[in-house]
Amino acid sequence: AQSVSQHNHHVILSEAASLELGCNYSYGGTVNLFWYVQYPGQHLQLLLKYFSGDPLVKGIKGFEAEFIKSKFSFNLRKPSVQWSDTAEYFCAVNRGTGGFKTIFGAGTRLFVKA
Amino acid sequence: DTEVTQTPKHLVMGMTNKKSLKCEQHMGHRAMYWYKQKAKKPPELMFVYSYEKLSINESVPSRFSPECPNSSLLNLHLHALQPEDSALYLCASSQEGGLGTDTQYFGPGTRLTVL
Repeated sequence: AQSVSQHNHHVILSEAASLELGCNYSYGGTVNLFWYVQYPGQHLQLLLKYFSGDPLVKGIKGFEAEFIKSKFSFNLRKPSVQWSDTAEYFCAVNRGTGGFKTIFGAGTRLFVKA
Repeated sequence: DTEVTQTPKHLVMGMTNKKSLKCEQHMGHRAMYWYKQKAKKPPELMFVYSYEKLSINESVPSRFSPECPNSSLLNLHLHALQPEDSALYLCASSQEGGLGTDTQYFGPGTRLTVL
C-alpha cells in the first residue's frame, strides 16, 4: 500500500536557522507531491506542490522543496525560519495516474523560538 | 473567495443521536472531500464527490452517510456513532480533482465529540 513517511515528528529551531523537513513515499509510479501547512488556530493550506517540470519548486513564504525521484523524496526547505513559521507541516502524495485519493504523512510540528 | 466553511464548529452528541455536518464552498469547485483527523494524526480520506456523484468511499461505516445536494454543498449525516468516532472532521474542495494535481482547499473543521 502507498505510504508517506515524515522523518521528524517534532522540530525546534531558533529564528534564522535553516530548515529541512524530510518526506519519503513508497509508491513507484508517477506521483503528485504536496506540502500543506497548518498554522496554530488556522486550517490546512497549501505551501507548494509538484507534478511535473523543474523538480525544485518554490512555494509561499520562502519555502521550497526538491523532488528526487531516485530517492522517492520530496524534502521541504527554508534557508532562514521565522517565529511565524511555527506550525504543523504535512507532506502528501497523490498517484500521478489520476484519482482523488491523497495520502498524508503523519506531520511534523515545527516550533521556532524567537 | 477561497474559503470553505463548515458548521458547526463543535458538536457533542450521544450515541443514539442523529446529526449532520455541513460544508459549503463558492469557488466553483466540482470535487468535494470529507476527511477525519484524530488528535496528532494526519487527515484520513473518508469520501469524495465529483460533479455531485460519490466517487470514493474509503470503506467508511454506514453510520456516516454523505450527501452532496448541489455543487456548493456537502453534508455528512451521522447516526449511532461510537465514542471512537470523536475527531476533527475536515471538508475540502478542489477544482476537479480527477488528475490528482489540484490544490485542495480545507475548511476549519468540525470538532465532534461522541459521548
